[in-house]
Formats: sequence, structure tokens, C-alpha cells
Amino acid sequence: GAGVSQSPRYKVAKRGQDVALRCDPISGHVSLFWYQQALGQGPEFLTYFQNEAQLDKSGLPSDRFFAERPEGSVSTLKIQRTQQEDSAVYLCASSSQGWGNTIYFGEGSWLTVV
Amino acid sequence: QQQVKQSPQSLIVQKGGIPIINCAYENTAFDYFPWYQQFPGKGPALLIAIRPDVSEKKEGRFTISFNKSAKQFSLHIMDSQPGDSATYFCAASGSARQLTFGSGTQLTVLP
Repeated sequence: GAGVSQSPRYKVAKRGQDVALRCDPISGHVSLFWYQQALGQGPEFLTYFQNEAQLDKSGLPSDRFFAERPEGSVSTLKIQRTQQEDSAVYLCASSSQGWGNTIYFGEGSWLTVV
Repeated sequence: QQQVKQSPQSLIVQKGGIPIINCAYENTAFDYFPWYQQFPGKGPALLIAIRPDVSEKKEGRFTISFNKSAKQFSLHIMDSQPGDSATYFCAASGSARQLTFGSGTQLTVLP
């Protein structure tokens, strides 16, 4: 596709509800990243995939957060039993293989937990 | 060790002015330093990036200055325009590939 596509763009969840956020990376991009951006803050790293392999999940804040990319393309970030502190923008990004290649961000999924 | 510190938090300049945003890092393993621009409701977009083997890089009206010994780098925007009003983030990465972002600078360019 032309850019990184994320859905839904906006999600309101009741506390305790499970949510799933989808990311369609740029076609052919090997690397895929998830970031969390709180209001007024810089994005914070959550997890990184190279193809279907999740190489780094050190930024996931709790075991309620789970990400997958089963076929090395589309990725899903799942948050179980959402809490109010999970309210943030979840940004997906992708890049082609190699050092220093531009990382392209999607417009984000805005999650509000009420 | 992973932190990137950014200042100022906000900046207001007149049209044509040269806003300067500064960042400092701690991790000497970082070897890629991009700047991102973010408009409200949008994802960050890459503006310009530099590697530590050069001290300055210029692309259009945007210039990065890099001081490896001080572990600092800065963004200069020449002839700033109201359309440049946005939030700017510095970032850094190393072999681990993921970006570590600064806290952002909200720039307002007055007409």
C-alpha cells in the first residue's frame, strides 16, 4: 500500500474489555514496530518484528499486551482487560531491511478506556 | 542509558525566524539520529536524519548539527513558516533498531 494503515482509528473501550488493533505495513517492509504515545509525550517502543519473528518485546508494559504478525505482513496488537492507563495512541511503523532505513509511521489508533 | 533528553518543551518564533531544538543522549551505541515532525492527529513523519560520522547535514530548510563528543544534536529550521507549526521529536537508535524518542517540542510560528 501507499503507507502504513491502522485500524480502527478511534476506539472507546470499557475498562476490562479486550481490544485488538490492526496494522497493515507498507508492502514489502520486513520490519514492523509498535509504539505507544501518551498525550503530550514522545512515542515509546513496545515491540519489534522482523518478518513473522517477534525479535523484541521488551517494551510491552504488562502481560495484558500481546502482538503477533503470523504471516510476516499484517500485525495485530491485542490488549486484554483494558485499564484506564492504557488510554493512548498506538502507532505502528514499518521499514525495509537494513541500517538507517526510514521508519514510516501510520496515523495511529486512538484508544480511550472509560 | 536509553534516554534522549529534548529541549525546549515549547517554542514560539516569528515567521522567518530560526527555531533551534536541542537533544542529548547517553547511550554511545546509538548510531542513527532522526528528527520527526508530527501534526495533530497524524503519525510522526521523518524530516531529516544524521549518522555520527558527520557533524552537520542540511536538507532544504532543515539542518541537523551533531556533536559526538558532547553527545548532543540539534535541529535548526531556517526561514520558518506558519506551516512548520507542529511538534518535533528527536530520536536515536542503534543496532536494536527501535527508536528512542525525546519528549517533543511544540513549535509555533507566528505569521
